[in-house]
This record gives sequence, structure tokens and C-alpha cells, in this order.
Amino acid sequence: NAGVTQTPKFRVLKTGQSMTLLCAQDMNHEYMYWYRQDPGMGLRLIHYSVGEGTTAKGEVPDGYNVSRLKKQNFLLGLESAAPSQTSVYFCASKTHGQVLQPQHFGDGTRLSIL
Amino acid sequence: ILNVEQSPQSLHVQEGDSTNFTCSFPSSNFYALHWYRWETAKSPEALFVMTLNGDEKKKGRISATLNTKEGYSYLYIKGSQPEDSATYLCASRNSGNTPLVFGKGTRLSVIA
Repeated sequence: NAGVTQTPKFRVLKTGQSMTLLCAQDMNHEYMYWYRQDPGMGLRLIHYSVGEGTTAKGEVPDGYNVSRLKKQNFLLGLESAAPSQTSVYFCASKTHGQVLQPQHFGDGTRLSIL
Repeated sequence: ILNVEQSPQSLHVQEGDSTNFTCSFPSSNFYALHWYRWETAKSPEALFVMTLNGDEKKKGRISATLNTKEGYSYLYIKGSQPEDSATYLCASRNSGNTPLVFGKGTRLSVIA
């Protein structure tokens, strides 16, 4: 029972490089989320999706793009990485329509931009 | 974007002490309140989801209460143990379709 799986677990990039973070969930959840976690800032929402083919901006979307082509996958892209994007990125998913269900989180991706 | 505040920011307690911390959220248009436990180098783990005013939930030595009219929730830990050391996050949403907004967390350190 994998739950929410994030790949890669860590990556070092140079400024200006691009990369894609993958989030996969096997719980048939409708909602998926990308957060970044920085010291003293808690979890801040980057983008989210309420279903296959739909995405929406969160609190800190600039510099990131997302896609949800398949229900089970939610991709986070950095087109031109900047040092300010050095962070730990968490993906989460949640089922729709059951208010008492929590979000399920992946183990995080630690990204360093040099 | 609704504002979720947690206090204190950090807390150090001795093993065996009981402790509590606070989550404040806007009381208007409240939908649900979540508590998560987040250990270093791991992913946040759900503790409680509460929706009704006066809700009280318990899991082992940890319990939580909810006051939606005044916009706060308390998390209590009875007889703290070193393994309780973690950051405790609360999050609120104001509808079923809007994302959770997280507080910055309370970092608890339990000293043996």
C-alpha cells in the first residue's frame, strides 16, 4: 500500500535548469496538492488540483507549473530554477466529498538550487 | 486567504509533563479543522479532523477540542514522552472545495 509517492527524494540543480517533480497516489483520490516547506514558514500551497485535467493556483504559484493528465499523478515543474526555490516540497492527496478525511502526504523532495 | 495562527511557536517540556497549544482561525465560514503531527525528516501524519463546535477527539494521550464560534482549537498531550517531540500543525478550510490553509506549527521538544 504505497499511498503518496514522490520522486525524486532529493535533487541539486543549477540556476536556470529545469526539472519536474512527480507525485503519484494509488488511493484514487480526486484532490492533489503541492506544498513547499521553508524554515519558519510552515507549509505553503503552490498549486492544487480538484480532478484530472484541472489545476489551480495556491498561495505561492510563481515560478512553478503543474499538470494533472492522469488522476493518479500530479507533476510540479520548475522551468528555470532559482535559488529562492530551494526548499522541501511535499505532495498531498485527499478524497472528495468526505469532510472528515485528512490529507495524505508524501515523504517530500528536498531540492537545492545552486 | 484565511489566516491560521498557532501558538506558541515552540515549546520545551519535561518528560511526564502535560502540555497544550492553540490554533486560531477565522470563525466565519468555517468548514473543517485538521491537526497533523510532523516528525523531522518524515511526512505530516493526520491526527484529527473536526467540524462541529464542541467537538472533542482523542487518540491515546493526545486530544483536541474545537470552538468554531470563537475560532480556536486546543491540542492537549497528557504525560509527554520523548517520542512526542515533533511539530504539530493545524489547518483550516472554509469550504469543501477550498484547500487547507496551514498554520506555521508548534514545535514540541520533550526532554527526558
